[in-house]
Amino acid sequence: DAGITQSPRHKVTETGTPVTLRCHQTENHRYMYWYRQDPGHGLRLIHYSYGVKDTDKGEVSDGYSVSRSKTEDFLLTLESATSSQTSVYFCAISSVSYEQYFGPGTRLTVT
Amino acid sequence: EDQVTQSPEALRLQEGESSSLNCSYTVSGLRGLFWYRQDPGKGPEFLFTLYSAGEEKEKERLKATLTKKESFLHITAPKPEDSATYLCAANNAGNMLTFGGGTRLMVKP
Repeated sequence: DAGITQSPRHKVTETGTPVTLRCHQTENHRYMYWYRQDPGHGLRLIHYSYGVKDTDKGEVSDGYSVSRSKTEDFLLTLESATSSQTSVYFCAISSVSYEQYFGPGTRLTVT
Repeated sequence: EDQVTQSPEALRLQEGESSSLNCSYTVSGLRGLFWYRQDPGKGPEFLFTLYSAGEEKEKERLKATLTKKESFLHITAPKPEDSATYLCAANNAGNMLTFGGGTRLMVKP
């Protein structure tokens, strides 16, 4: 998976609790992305980062925040999880060539 | 608004039966058209990037082509191990990918 790890790989949490997902890369790539994948919707961009402390919103950013304090780590936080945020979350990285390489994913269930 | 549409949604083939998957796109300032393979429970795996109309890329039994409005992924003499979901995505001037819904390919022995 191109030197990308995601943690945790599976998580079950209750509605209203905060959740943080971590993406770690060893490729020293500048760009990092968070996507969610849902049946019928495909892959949708949540947030992305173009450098340390530089982030921007994607297509479905409501209810999510991100932080990037080091090149290798990109965190996705659900401040107060809702059932609609049950999904599979993928992190991706890219360099200036625009090709994105994906991590193994985190399956999140909000009950 | 950028849009990427894949067809068919699902495709069943017999081993050795060649076919093509379609990806139609409407993207302003296309910077690349990408194909990925995704196996169940895993992240998408990068296959190809195409940058300009007329370009072709090949890898084993797969060949990707690009026109100004669509891309095709041709699968020649597929094997059961080619069964997966194939995703295409278009990169716009803002370096963001817009994904299609995918084509689920099933190859029976």
